[in-house]
Amino acid sequence: AQKITQTQPGMFVQEKEAVTLDCTYDTSDPSYGLFWYKQPSSGEMIFLIYQGSYDQQNATEGRYSLNFQKARKSANLVISASQLGDSAMYFCAMRPYYNNNDMRFGAGTRLTVKP
Amino acid sequence: DTGVSQDPRHKITKRGQNVTFRCDPISEHNRLYWYRQTLGQGPEFLTYFQNEAQLEKSRLLSDRFSAERPKGSFSTLEIQRTEQGDSAMYLCASSGGPIDQPQHFGDGTRLSIL
Repeated sequence: AQKITQTQPGMFVQEKEAVTLDCTYDTSDPSYGLFWYKQPSSGEMIFLIYQGSYDQQNATEGRYSLNFQKARKSANLVISASQLGDSAMYFCAMRPYYNNNDMRFGAGTRLTVKP
Repeated sequence: DTGVSQDPRHKITKRGQNVTFRCDPISEHNRLYWYRQTLGQGPEFLTYFQNEAQLEKSRLLSDRFSAERPKGSFSTLEIQRTEQGDSAMYLCASSGGPIDQPQHFGDGTRLSIL
């Protein structure tokens, strides 16, 4: 069975600084995808970034980058130059390639950006 | 650009009543998912449609829950005889194309059972 662990219930970061949100996972599947989503207080889940298990390079999308360490089964999200609008819940998720519906989410990390 | 649309945004009802939620996915997406999210937790998978076929149901989906996706477009999730424990955010997501494409979520329907 897959399991996603986000060990930081809450994180604080000063505006304009970088922050790393941790995510570790446990799976026996050889091929899988890793996703990060942002959920503001309004409730919608916003897709941020994707990393495939066979991708050689770490994914980047604007101010978001994913620090993927396959051997350690970690997929940490790095947000650079934090903005006040980054304050939200952040969820790490994983899905095996062969099973479209088996997407598992972590419990989330609440990020607060301080002015 | 139309994303995933869910209706209603909020639903307050008395215990024992039936409720129905609607989800309109992104038009070109053939895959549709329902999730439930309780406070302080990540979303939990409920059910999955590929086109009009319901291919997977979680054990979380008791007999009181039923989902449909007629004609492979919009979907409805009905909860019969609601219970206090049904209070949650119900999220709909859709995806299409290659398997590594992300699921795109709607704003959710927040259900409160009095």
